[in-house]
Amino acid sequence: GQQLNQSPQSMFIQEGEDVSMNCTSSSIFNTWLWYKQDPGEGPVLLIALYKAGELTSNGRLTAQFGITRKDSFLNISASIPSDVGIYFCAGHGGTSYGKLTFGQGTILTVHP
Amino acid sequence: DSGVTQTPKHLITATGQRVTLRCSPRSGDLSVYWYQQSLDQGLQFLIQYYNGEERAKGNILERFSAQQFPDLHSELNLSSLELGDSALYFCASSVEGLDTQYFGPGTRLTVL
Repeated sequence: GQQLNQSPQSMFIQEGEDVSMNCTSSSIFNTWLWYKQDPGEGPVLLIALYKAGELTSNGRLTAQFGITRKDSFLNISASIPSDVGIYFCAGHGGTSYGKLTFGQGTILTVHP
Repeated sequence: DSGVTQTPKHLITATGQRVTLRCSPRSGDLSVYWYQQSLDQGLQFLIQYYNGEERAKGNILERFSAQQFPDLHSELNLSSLELGDSALYFCASSVEGLDTQYFGPGTRLTVL
């Protein structure tokens, strides 16, 4: 089945630093989504990408849908303490309905 | 607040018991998805309903079942519970034909 490899597994950074994380897939996805999850809460949608090569920003967050449709990255600029959490990439395949496949998550810790 | 509601927030029960988790999708969303999140398996898709009909199935055990009612709320039934069923269960919803899924706050199930 489809699998997503997300890296890094965890990051420890200083406030103000930029962050980059990425996901790669063994197969093509038609949609890439990035979510953030706080402990005990549901994933919150950050950015949705629908077209290969698409670059989308949401405030300090920027994400790109890879040209090969098998990868995506998320950048966070000038990190702040509230950026702490787990970031998940998720991909959706060729059908209009159905499951999202999630990466394993990147645990982000920001030191003030 | 994603607009997706889930009840209860927490559920503690014993092995062998049966529980029902409830989800109300965002206003206007016809599709409901159920996911299980455990420490060792990450976020795993269980099942999807669209406008009352089952649309896609993932790694859902035979002991688990779901349905979506005419008012579009959904219930996930878990029976003959085992210790390994302890996890966070999330519901997500989306607009017909779109892939962007919005997650509820989850139900934390603990099986003792």
